[in-house]
Amino acid sequence: DAGVIQSPRHEVTEMGQEVTLRCKPISGHNSLFWYRQTMMRGLELLIYFNNNVPIDDSGMPEDRFSAKMPNASFSTLKIQPSEPRDSAVYFCASTDWGNYGYTFGSGTRLTVV
Amino acid sequence: GESVGLHLPTLSVQEGDNSIINCAYSNSASDYFIWYKQESGKGPQFIIDIRSNMDKRQGQRVTVLLNKTVKHLSLQIAATQPGDSAVYFCAESGGGTYKYIFGTGTRLKVLA
Repeated sequence: DAGVIQSPRHEVTEMGQEVTLRCKPISGHNSLFWYRQTMMRGLELLIYFNNNVPIDDSGMPEDRFSAKMPNASFSTLKIQPSEPRDSAVYFCASTDWGNYGYTFGSGTRLTVV
Repeated sequence: GESVGLHLPTLSVQEGDNSIINCAYSNSASDYFIWYKQESGKGPQFIIDIRSNMDKRQGQRVTVLLNKTVKHLSLQIAATQPGDSAVYFCAESGGGTYKYIFGTGTRLKVLA
């Protein structure tokens, strides 16, 4: 298995623009998580999907953030409009709740200028 | 994906020495714990886990110790190698929640 695949690896955008981050979880994993990592806050859980259904989005910073999971093999995290304080590394992770916890993707480094 | 940076506690060890990384967890109801390793430019990677009905678990060159009395977790790395240089996170879950709560991380630097 290729693991959790995220795209793009790097994104630089101007303030006010829409940004879409993409994630393909490991096949057979029924749960997917979006995390944000910054120096100040560490790893923060943004949203959790189980069987493609959003279960907990209490970590989503504000209405500018939205996430979808239209099927078991694809999820998106969208920021519209983006702001400089959204600059961070965004990770997607998936699990089947067996051993080994979450499997993380390599992340998307977002820079909003 | 860069790991959390300048504000992390750092542990520097000589190559070949043993490393001990500590973590205090927050929830006494947590019953599953994981150590993750995050190398520069990568996502966190599973190293070893332990359930609350155990106090020690060993893997290849790594050992995790759990002290539930004081809510403390440690990761021991034997014969530390340059490839062990990374940021190490502990994570806890349980108490009826699906969420993993991550610690702030410790940066391990291996000196040649």
